[in-house]
Amino acid sequence: GAVVSQHPSWVICKSGTSVKIECRSLDFQATTMFWYRQFPKQSLMLMATSNEGSKATYEQGVEKDKFLINHASLTLSTLTVTSAHPEDSSFYICSARVGTLYNSPLHFGNGTRLTVT
Amino acid sequence: GQQLNQSPQSMFIQEGEDVSMNCTSSSIFNTWLWYKQDPGEGPVLLIALYKAGELTSNGRLTAQFGITRKDSFLNISASIPSDVGIYFCAGPGAGDYKLSFGAGTTVTVRA
Repeated sequence: GAVVSQHPSWVICKSGTSVKIECRSLDFQATTMFWYRQFPKQSLMLMATSNEGSKATYEQGVEKDKFLINHASLTLSTLTVTSAHPEDSSFYICSARVGTLYNSPLHFGNGTRLTVT
Repeated sequence: GQQLNQSPQSMFIQEGEDVSMNCTSSSIFNTWLWYKQDPGEGPVLLIALYKAGELTSNGRLTAQFGITRKDSFLNISASIPSDVGIYFCAGPGAGDYKLSFGAGTTVTVRA
């Protein structure tokens, strides 16, 4: 089945530093990838849609200058949390669709646990 | 995204029991997806439903796409300890490419 790989699986950083999270589709090409954020005991919240070769689309309330998304190839999207603060600590998960049909299921990476101290 | 109401929020079940959870939406869905998330990991797709009335099984899991296209349920038969986790329903609303997620059902199995 479709595999989405996310790296790192966890990261601890100091307040004010930036952290980059990578999301790769291993056995398929993904023109669109999605970045989610999940707080403890809560559901997944869509942050942004990453589009290969063009700008990401951010959900309302998500700061695009804080969460930089780059989708430079058909198999790689990156999320950079800039000037991280403790309130950015969360579980970040990326996902991608196989194919272009809007209702094709999303396949998720294993998530990145970010802790900002 | 669309609003999905998932219930129950949590359940404690005895090993060997059958369990059921459901999801409703205020608008029509063309696709219903059920995912399971284990602690510290990303969600894994269990079942995808594409047609109203569709009933699909995956091992001990069975899910149905409601006739009204506004609801879906997931059944787990003969639960075992590894069924522990959080189950999410999800789907794109009609004409929407984004997935909306239910709040999740946390399943804990008593041995």
